[in-house]
Amino acid sequence: SAVISQKPSRDICQRGTSLTIQCQVDSQVTMMFWYRQQPGQSLTLIATANQGSEATYESGFVIDKFPISRPNLTFSTLTVSNMSPEDSSIYLCSAEDRGPPLDTQYFGPGTRLTVL
Amino acid sequence: DAKTTQPPSMDCAEGRAANLPCNHSTISGNEYVYWYRQIHSQGPQYIIHGLKNNETNEMASLIITEDRKSSTLILPHATLRDTAVYYCIVRVELRGSTLGRLYFGRGTQLTVWP
Repeated sequence: SAVISQKPSRDICQRGTSLTIQCQVDSQVTMMFWYRQQPGQSLTLIATANQGSEATYESGFVIDKFPISRPNLTFSTLTVSNMSPEDSSIYLCSAEDRGPPLDTQYFGPGTRLTVL
Repeated sequence: DAKTTQPPSMDCAEGRAANLPCNHSTISGNEYVYWYRQIHSQGPQYIIHGLKNNETNEMASLIITEDRKSSTLILPHATLRDTAVYYCIVRVELRGSTLGRLYFGRGTQLTVWP
């Protein structure tokens, strides 16, 4: 497996502001993903972030609201823009590649976001 | 979209085997069965996956029926630390740089009691 870290681990933000979440993997990976987990719910995929190309967003998620960067093979950021209380969730990143040590999808610990 | 059906909750006594069922009756020939678990307030943890043969690793065993329409995850000696939500996911394995997405359903809340 691999070590995936996220910053911040939690934050409390005001309505209308933006927060950027960082995800760091301890090895180079082709694929990184961002998920949202709303309170009491399961995980929902927001987008897939490939290095060197634009992120691919799932239905219901748009780049203006959740811009993603993937500057290299070990790092990605997700920004939650113009936040509202409905954005209060846990945001998780994951990483996967075709070979060891990331030959399946591994997850970071998550960022718990509360919007007031 | 999730293509699996799991019971919402199960209980298991510590030290006993926990058998978690999953139905995936519409599974395609190129779709794998994956299991993850999520302990409260943590990120999901990969457990095991398989295509059609039974699989075993240090965490669990995966039994897939011959018609591949259902499977069972077995934790041979459940401990209190195994209390978590267990997700059964079917996913296409694609060649090249494109990997199939993981779609999480509601999962099964497994509670292991002393």
